[in-house]
Amino acid sequence: DADVTQTPRNRITKTGKRIMLECSQTKGHDRMYWYRQDPGLGLRLIYYSFDVKDINKGEISDGYSVSRQAQAKFSLSLESAIPNQTALYFCATGTAMNEKLFFGSGTQLSVL
Amino acid sequence: AQSVSQHNHHVILSEAASLELGCNYSYGGTVNLFWYVQYPGQHLQLLLKYFSGDPLVKGIKGFEAEFIKSKFSFNLRKPSVQWSDTAEYFCAVNAQGAGSYQLTFGKGTKLSVIP
Repeated sequence: DADVTQTPRNRITKTGKRIMLECSQTKGHDRMYWYRQDPGLGLRLIYYSFDVKDINKGEISDGYSVSRQAQAKFSLSLESAIPNQTALYFCATGTAMNEKLFFGSGTQLSVL
Repeated sequence: AQSVSQHNHHVILSEAASLELGCNYSYGGTVNLFWYVQYPGQHLQLLLKYFSGDPLVKGIKGFEAEFIKSKFSFNLRKPSVQWSDTAEYFCAVNAQGAGSYQLTFGKGTKLSVIP
């Protein structure tokens, strides 16, 4: 089984819909992150969490919210999806030293 | 806040050619430096990292990178590329002692290796 699991792998939705992307990990890491990847823009940080009670905005948090339900689970929500949120979304986990991030396989989201 | 600049958007090489991908960062303090690789259709994987010590870092699959503090650079190199190195490469910088998470990725360089 994968250490960092994202669901769904692909999602097509319509403008205005609420969408939740889920991430779970078996690494036992305290730190979890959500990134979005766009062609030519690299990875940009949306939100991150250092533990269950710690949530922080990243570079591009507008239009997104997160929930850290447990150490192993970190979900990303789009309250009202818009087309420019079409992207590849990655969840990642890491240790306090940030020595290495472990990425999930990604969720390709298309907002029509 | 730090920033990361990768000089080339797309690099095309023939097999056995040498590779150097540029990465520069802007941050005045101590940094941790990383190169991640993303093979087609896959997630990012760590290629190599620099925290301290020898500025020449060796990673997996024959890759290496050199940290030059005076130039704020962390260029990735490989003496002889293979078709299987076709991927997108991301440089990333983590500012130490910043009090909060500040791992910043560059925009990536796509490498296409022609057999």
